[in-house]
Order: sequence, then C-alpha cells, then structure tokens
Amino acid sequence: GAGVSQTPSNKVTEKGKYVELRCDPISGHTALYWYRQSLGQGPEFLIYFQGTGAADDSGLPNDRFFAVRPEGSVSTLKIQRTERGDSAVYLCASSPSGSDYGYTFGSGTRLTVV
Amino acid sequence: TQLLEQSPQFLSIQEGENLTVYCNSSSVFSSLQWYRQEPGEGPVLLVTVVTGGEVKKLKRLTFQFGDARKDSSLHITAAQPGDTGLYLCAAAGGTSYGKLTFGQGTILTVHP
Repeated sequence: GAGVSQTPSNKVTEKGKYVELRCDPISGHTALYWYRQSLGQGPEFLIYFQGTGAADDSGLPNDRFFAVRPEGSVSTLKIQRTERGDSAVYLCASSPSGSDYGYTFGSGTRLTVV
Repeated sequence: TQLLEQSPQFLSIQEGENLTVYCNSSSVFSSLQWYRQEPGEGPVLLVTVVTGGEVKKLKRLTFQFGDARKDSSLHITAAQPGDTGLYLCAAAGGTSYGKLTFGQGTILTVHP
C-alpha cells in the first residue's frame, strides 16, 4: 500500500483480556518496528523485525507482549492479560532496511484498558 | 542506553516569532532524525542528519547536527499556526542497529 496501515485505530478492552494489533507495512519494506507512545511523550521502542525474524525485542516490557511477522510483511502485536498500564498508542513503522534514514509511521492504534 | 534530552518540553509563541528546540545526549549518534507529529497521527519524518556539523534547511526550518554528533537543534523562523505540533528528535546508532531512541518531545503551540 501507499502507507503503513494499522488496525484497529481504536481498541477498548477489559482488564485481563487478550488483544491483537495489526500492522500492514509499505510494500517491499523489509524492516518493521513497533513502538508505544504515552500522551505527550516520545515513542518507546518495543520490537524490530528484519524480514520474518525479530532482530531486537529488547523493548518488550514483559512476557505478556509478543509480536510476529510470519511472512515478512504484515505483523501482529499480541498482548495477553491486559493491564490498565498497557493503555497507550501503539505505533508501527517500516523502512526499506535499518533505521538510519528514517521510518514511515502508521497512525497508530489507541489501546484503552478499562 | 542512549538517552536524548529534548528542551524545552513546552513552547507557546505568537505567529511570526522564531524558536529553537534542542536535542542533547552524552552519546555519539550515527544519525539523528527530526519528526513532527499531530494529534491522532504517527510521527512524520522531517529530516535526517548524518555528518557532524551538517546543516539542512526545509523552508523555514533549519536543522543542525553538532560537530561531535551528540546534539542537534531545530530552528523555526517566523512560526505559523500550522507549525503547531509535537516535535521529536530520534537517534540511531550505538549497539542496537535498527532501533531509534526518541526524545520526550517538544509540544509547540503557535497562536495566531
């Protein structure tokens, strides 16, 4: 597609539930990133894929968070047993390869855990 | 871990004024990027600077990368209400190739 697409744009879930957030990167971009952003703050790194593999998952806060990219294009961020502290905007970005020359971000998924 | 200090955190100015936003770290970066973000949208890349001492201009925006590649600034001349938004610097480099470290952002409001 022309840009990075994220669905859903908004998600409200109850504490303890499981959620999946989807990212469809720009066609041909091999690198895909997930970030989390709290209100008025800069994005915080979660995980980076190069192709199908997670090249760096050091930003995932705990084992409730998991992400996959099985075919090297679409990625899904999965959060188990959601907590109120997981509420944030989850941003996905892609780039041709690596990060040194800038990403293209999607509009994000606003997750609210009630 | 690279840490980026961005200042000021908030900036409220009148249309036509000039402003500068700073981004500093004790670490050396391989490159530094500036993004602008509007409410409900993802950050949009404005510029990437790579070479120490580099200056790039984008219309009324001037970006500088420090000689030692540890700091950067964004200067806006004659600010307009359309410049309102969250400005973010982000650094690449260090041991985590592929990962960007973002500053906490500067929220700019330009009043007509």
